[in-house]
Amino acid sequence: GAGVSQSPSNKVTEKGKDVELRCDPISGHTALYWYRQSLGQGLEFLIYFQGNSAPDKSGLPSDRFSAERTGGSVSTLTIQRTQQEDSAVYLCASSLGTGGGGYTFGSGTRLTVV
Amino acid sequence: AQSVTQLDSHVSVSEGTPVLLRCNYSSSYSPSLFWYVQHPNKGLQLLLKYTSAATLVKGINGFEAEFKKSETSFHLTKPSAHMSDAAEYFCVVSDRDYGGATNKLIFGTGTLLAVQP
Repeated sequence: GAGVSQSPSNKVTEKGKDVELRCDPISGHTALYWYRQSLGQGLEFLIYFQGNSAPDKSGLPSDRFSAERTGGSVSTLTIQRTQQEDSAVYLCASSLGTGGGGYTFGSGTRLTVV
Repeated sequence: AQSVTQLDSHVSVSEGTPVLLRCNYSSSYSPSLFWYVQHPNKGLQLLLKYTSAATLVKGINGFEAEFKKSETSFHLTKPSAHMSDAAEYFCVVSDRDYGGATNKLIFGTGTLLAVQP
């Protein structure tokens, strides 16, 4: 597609439930990032995929968070047993290998845990 | 470790006056630096980028930024603010590893720009 597509755009879930957030990067982009933007805070790095390399998971806040990228394209971020503090906008971005041309961000998924 | 500091969390200017949003970075190697803008309820949009070419970088909507290695700064400027510039601005650094590939983006905490009529 022309841009980075994220779905759903909004998700309301009950505390304790699992959620899956999806990201479709720009075709041909080998690098994919997940970030979290909480109210009143900056963007927090979560995980980074680059080609076939092992992902950089250093930003995942707990073992309830996981992500995978199938076939080097679509990525899914899974949050298990959601907590209220997980409420945030989850942003996905993709870029060509080195990212020198900049990164294209999706519009995000707004997750609300009630 | 690489990091970026945005010195002002809020900046307020009058329409038609200059804009200065300050950013200092810390990087082990030759960094790539970016400014992104986020309008209310909109996605992040790339304003401009520095990747070791010209130190004065021109971006969209009349914004520019100058890379100053001696000061480890990458301040964002615009000669004349417009009402539509009101948004949140993020300074971002990305280091290159030994192989030249760019690693993860590190975001500053953002500067909220208000433009008064």
